Amino acid sequence: QKEVEQDPGPLSVPEGAIVSLNCTYSNSAFQYFMWYRQYSRKGPELLMYTYSSGNKEDGRFTAQVDKSSKYISLFIRDSQPSDSATYLCAMSLGSKLTFGKGITLSVRP
Amino acid sequence: EPEVTQTPSHQVTQMGQEVILRCVPISNHLYFYWYRQILGQKVEFLVSFYNNEISEKSEIFDDQFSVERPDGSNFTLKIRSTKLEDSAMYFCASSGTSGGKETQYFGPGTRLLVL
Repeated sequence: QKEVEQDPGPLSVPEGAIVSLNCTYSNSAFQYFMWYRQYSRKGPELLMYTYSSGNKEDGRFTAQVDKSSKYISLFIRDSQPSDSATYLCAMSLGSKLTFGKGITLSVRP
Repeated sequence: EPEVTQTPSHQVTQMGQEVILRCVPISNHLYFYWYRQILGQKVEFLVSFYNNEISEKSEIFDDQFSVERPDGSNFTLKIRSTKLEDSAMYFCASSGTSGGKETQYFGPGTRLLVL
């Protein structure tokens, strides 16, 4: 079983839609959970960061962690064409981040 | 806003040659990292560096690789004898003081092509 699995894509939604992106993980020792956004041929950009089960909101973005189910989600409300990018979940253990493969999101105007 | 910078943005080299990839981390950060992303694959951890020594490294980071912080601002990754399979995007990242070291900020990457 892979350490971090991310829903495969790509995903295409109309502008204004609510987007749900999900990852599961197998290592219960992971301590911190992040979502990164990556535009084509650019470095990952940190979007959200949390360490406890529950929800964390930042503007149109909500990160959700369920440690008992080993499941994390990122919700994007009122999606915009500028949200079109690849979204990566990442989890930390010690100094190392383990990434999901990423899902490419396209928001159609 | 402070950011991680990397040079060069692109590097083409012949198999067997040495390459040095350079990074300038965010100025008050204490932890430094290298990751790589082969085209179409996951971002993979290579190495972390703190207090002038390697704190953790992956299986990928073998004797061909080395890291150095030669001065107060630069952080380098050296690949001694490049192989075709080293072709990838290499990302440098840095994170802050002990209270925020988990929050890693990435540079734009260096695209390495080994011919």
